[in-house]
Amino acid sequence: GAVVSQHPSWVICKSGTSVKIECRSLDFQATTMFWYRQFPKQSLMLMATSNEGSKATYEQGVEKDKFLINHASLTLSTLTVTSAHPEDSSFYICSARDGGLPTDTQYFGPGTRLTVL
Amino acid sequence: EDKVVQSPLSLVVHEGDTVTLNCSYEVTNFRSLLWYKQEKKAPTFLFMLTSSGIEKKSGRLSSILDKKELFSILNITATQTGDSAVYLCAVGVGGSEKLVFGKGTKLTVNP
Repeated sequence: GAVVSQHPSWVICKSGTSVKIECRSLDFQATTMFWYRQFPKQSLMLMATSNEGSKATYEQGVEKDKFLINHASLTLSTLTVTSAHPEDSSFYICSARDGGLPTDTQYFGPGTRLTVL
Repeated sequence: EDKVVQSPLSLVVHEGDTVTLNCSYEVTNFRSLLWYKQEKKAPTFLFMLTSSGIEKKSGRLSSILDKKELFSILNITATQTGDSAVYLCAVGVGGSEKLVFGKGTKLTVNP
C-alpha cells in the first residue's frame, strides 16, 4: 500500500518552455500533497503544500507564478515549471499524506529529474 | 526557526558492523519524528516515532525517540552493502502539515 507515482521520471527541455510534472497516489486518497526540490548532495527543500480543492501554500522564497501547483483531485497533484531556465534544473519529488489517517507519514514518489538546456 | 540536525554527515563502515545515526531537533511544537532511507531516487519510509522510550524495530533496523533530550537514534545492526544510502530524519511540527528535514547521513557499507 501507500504507493505514489510521478511522471515523467526525467525530462529535458529548452529554456523558456514549460514543463508539467504529475504526482498520483495510487492506492489511497491524498488530501495533502507536498512538492520538494533536491539539489545534488543536499536534503529535501519543501517548495509548497498542496491541498485538494484549494490553493497551494508556498514556502518563503518560492515563486508562485513560476511553480504552478494544481491539486484537482484526491489522487492527483501537478507541478508546472513555467518558462523554465537552466537554474530550474533539479530533482523534483512529490509526497502525499494518506487523508484517512491521523499521521505525519508522507509517502514519496520516485522523483522527476528536470534538465533545462 | 525549526531545526533538525543529523550526525554524522557521512559514515563509512564494513559489512557486519553496527552503526548508530543521530538526529536532534529544536522545533516549536513537536508532533512526530520520521526516518527515511534514500538511495538513488526518492526517500522510502522507515519509521515514525511519537512517544519517548518506545523502540520501533524492523529487521536489523531499530529506532528510539527521547522527547526530553530532543533526539532520536537509528540503529542498524549487521550492516550489509544494501544498507548504503542517505538516511533522512524529519520532524512533523504542530500548526502545519509539513515535515522539517535534516541534511541526512550518508552511510557507505563496504564489503
